[in-house]
Amino acid sequence: EAGVVQSPRYKIIEKKQPVAFWCNPISGHNTLYWYLQNLGQGPELLIRYENEEAVDDSQLPKDRFSAERLKGVDSTLKIQPAELGDSAVYLCASSQDRGNTIYFGEGSWLTVV
Amino acid sequence: AQSVTQPDIHITVSEGASLELRCNYSYGATPYLFWYVQSPGQGLQLLLKYFSGDTLVQGIKGFEAEFKRSQSSFNLRKPSVHWSDAAEYFCAVGDNTGKLIFGQGTTLQVKP
Repeated sequence: EAGVVQSPRYKIIEKKQPVAFWCNPISGHNTLYWYLQNLGQGPELLIRYENEEAVDDSQLPKDRFSAERLKGVDSTLKIQPAELGDSAVYLCASSQDRGNTIYFGEGSWLTVV
Repeated sequence: AQSVTQPDIHITVSEGASLELRCNYSYGATPYLFWYVQSPGQGLQLLLKYFSGDTLVQGIKGFEAEFKRSQSSFNLRKPSVHWSDAAEYFCAVGDNTGKLIFGQGTTLQVKP
């Protein structure tokens, strides 16, 4: 069974440019998460979806970050415009339902220069 | 407030030696507890989890962890470390909402 798939794996952009990350969760998983991992830190939740509904986006900086999960499967996380401090790993994860085990993708590594 | 503390930022052990990574949590109810491992340039892989029941949990790669409610701890152990175990280890606490709170991680270095 395929795991959580993310792309791109690595991205280098100049500040003020936009960037988007894509995530395909494990088949049949209704809950999808985006986590932010800064260097040397543990991941922190940005947003959680149950099907296509964002049920927890309290930690998402909405002035520059946006996310969507159309049709309740794939998801896209966008940053516009990117700032130097956005350099981090963006991890997508999924679970069958909330409260079940969460499985992570390999992450999208962003460097803003 | 909910939180997870991993007191050891960096640990070095010799190959073949035993390992214990510490994790303490602060949580208002009975937590769900997890240990994840992250190799350089990779995502997080689940080692083991505790939801309820037996407080000694077996995981993959020969790891185990013990939930001690009285000490608010969920320490990870392995009897004999292999060089391939060198990685970053994260303890996390969650509940039935699906949100995980992670510790800062412990970097494990294995000496030959």
